[in-house]
Amino acid sequence: EAQVTQNPRYLITVTGKKLTVTCSQNMNHEYMSWYRQDPGLGLRQIYYSMNVEVTDKGDVPEGYKVSRKEKRNFPLILESPSPNQTSLYFCASSPLDRQETQYFGPGTRLLVL
Amino acid sequence: AQTVTQSQPEMSVQEAETVTLSCTYDTSESDYYLFWYKQPPSRQMILVIRQEAYKQQNATENRFSVNFQKAAKSFSLKISDSQLGDAAMYFCAYRSDFGNEKLTFGTGTRLTIIP
Repeated sequence: EAQVTQNPRYLITVTGKKLTVTCSQNMNHEYMSWYRQDPGLGLRQIYYSMNVEVTDKGDVPEGYKVSRKEKRNFPLILESPSPNQTSLYFCASSPLDRQETQYFGPGTRLLVL
Repeated sequence: AQTVTQSQPEMSVQEAETVTLSCTYDTSESDYYLFWYKQPPSRQMILVIRQEAYKQQNATENRFSVNFQKAAKSFSLKISDSQLGDAAMYFCAYRSDFGNEKLTFGTGTRLTIIP
């Protein structure tokens, strides 16, 4: 089954404790992206990658890091989480064809205390 | 930068009736793609319908159709014969035809179906 998976789905952590949210897709997509969803703001892009070893900042990259060492994986790293990073996070992937929709993972709900 | 505006934070409709959700966007580009996504309580993002800006014909997917007005930069979603399963948050999104392939989202419209 074609899908984007994220782990963990739910996470409660404390300020400053490094964490990684994993994202993996099995559709051989070149493009991968991270979004965060906050009430009243919709979804906003954090980082994206157009292929292996090619990553760039989106609209709200502060406090986040990413890597793309393999085509299928695109982890999101919070080196020192803060309460303002409490949010719902989505990973998405698509082929490099803008007509195609982006396929979204199930979301990761993060609470930073 | 492109922006997407959904001016209706909440809408409600009687079951089996028709409802239209509004979306406007701002861009200087001539080629782009527009999408409507549905987010049910499970939080999963589900594609409802897509529209290519170069196509004049409005997209249709079963009970879902759009009214795409390129000059007015408007992209509304019409849901016919509303069903209880249509209750969700609906997001309008824009995708440029060049550069970063990101989706730019509106703030969403929460749709309630009244039995």
